[in-house]
Amino acid sequence: QQQVKQSPQSLIVQKGGISIINCAYENTAFDYFPWYQQFPGKGPALLIAIRPDVSEKKEGRFTISFNKSAKQFSLHIMDSQPGDSATYFCAASKGNNYQLIWGAGTKLIIKP
Amino acid sequence: KAGVTQTPRYLIKTRGQQVTLSCSPISGHRSVSWYQQTPGQGLQFLFEYFSETQRNKGNFPGRFSGRQFSNSRSEMNVSTLELGDSALYLCASSLGPGEGTDTQYFGPGTRLTVL
Repeated sequence: QQQVKQSPQSLIVQKGGISIINCAYENTAFDYFPWYQQFPGKGPALLIAIRPDVSEKKEGRFTISFNKSAKQFSLHIMDSQPGDSATYFCAASKGNNYQLIWGAGTKLIIKP
Repeated sequence: KAGVTQTPRYLIKTRGQQVTLSCSPISGHRSVSWYQQTPGQGLQFLFEYFSETQRNKGNFPGRFSGRQFSNSRSEMNVSTLELGDSALYLCASSLGPGEGTDTQYFGPGTRLTVL
């Protein structure tokens, strides 16, 4: 019930294309869903986060789509750039609890 | 504001030894969480401290412990090191519960290698 399943494990996208990463969760008590970006040798950095009361949130080229009934959420990166090449993690937590449950990560490569 | 700082950045220890890792949160942040990152298990929550009290704990053995000081700085300790403890240990800081945000800011991590 605590799991967050992330797919795909790796993704190659052409420059300018749309990168899509999906996550599914089981625990309906989760109410905070962040996406983190991690470069080699660095800690994860928050990209964008969403709560279940909205179905979509956009920040620049990054959009989260949230489907509460399906218990799924996804990250869309528009106009993908080589600098977006990194590992992306989805996560979930509940309430005022900072215990993030993480997806397994997606290694994204943007080809020039 | 300075970000989350972790020291040391790299550590090499041998089996059976113990190790202490340090984390200084962002100024004004009172909650510190620790995570372990390995290629096999991914990112896993260790524990979280707020106001010098452990608020949450993940599923790790008692060899893993932590504490938080009155200035919000935190340390984690791993005793009787095993080969499987080799990992990147990440610290994250947050304002604290009830502050209207769940955002956690991560440090660069401490890379621990157990030989």
